[in-house]
Amino acid sequence: DQQVKQNSPSLSVQEGRISILNCDYTNSMFDYFLWYKKYPAEGPTFLISISSIKDKNEDGRFTVFLNKSAKHLSLHIVPSQPGDSAVYFCAASAEGAGSYQLTFGKGTKLSVIP
Amino acid sequence: EAGVVQSPRYKIIEKKQPVAFWCNPISGHNTLYWYLQNLGQGPELLIRYENEEAVDDSQLPKDRFSAERLKGVDSTLKIQPAELGDSAVYLCASSFLWGRQFFGPGTRLTVL
Repeated sequence: DQQVKQNSPSLSVQEGRISILNCDYTNSMFDYFLWYKKYPAEGPTFLISISSIKDKNEDGRFTVFLNKSAKHLSLHIVPSQPGDSAVYFCAASAEGAGSYQLTFGKGTKLSVIP
Repeated sequence: EAGVVQSPRYKIIEKKQPVAFWCNPISGHNTLYWYLQNLGQGPELLIRYENEEAVDDSQLPKDRFSAERLKGVDSTLKIQPAELGDSAVYLCASSFLWGRQFFGPGTRLTVL
């Protein structure tokens, strides 16, 4: 049973436009959510996070939105740049930011077309 | 600041052979994690160390997998014997206590 779902394996976006990556979760105990970015032959790197007490967190071009009632979060990248082309993983934990137990989705491969 | 170092980066072996992966965490990070990432999947935790103690190894297949973290710094993950289904990327990550996890580049294992 997959507790974190990223239903779009891939996404293509034109440079300068908005990229929206989606993530759904089933475990009501999840209260902290993270996005990781992964380039080929590299490990995942932390991008942005959000606590369940918030519904939005912004960092530069990256914004994460959380809809707890729908158990859904999304990552918005505006404007998209070719360097954003990577695989994006959604992850969740059940004990807040201090938890070691991360459950990852399968990832979405973003391609930003120049 | 140096990141998490893993070696080798790539390893090709025949089934039934042993294999070992090495990880050097970020200096000062007392918590170390080994993850397994199958093709098209997200990372899955195998084992977590706090200093030299394995505090969560519930997902580690103990019949063929073993790990150690002597002196609470470097860690080694071993598979003996390897099976075809073990082909995957093995990621090491580290954190200070339960803080943000920093990942290494991974070791891509191919079992023939």
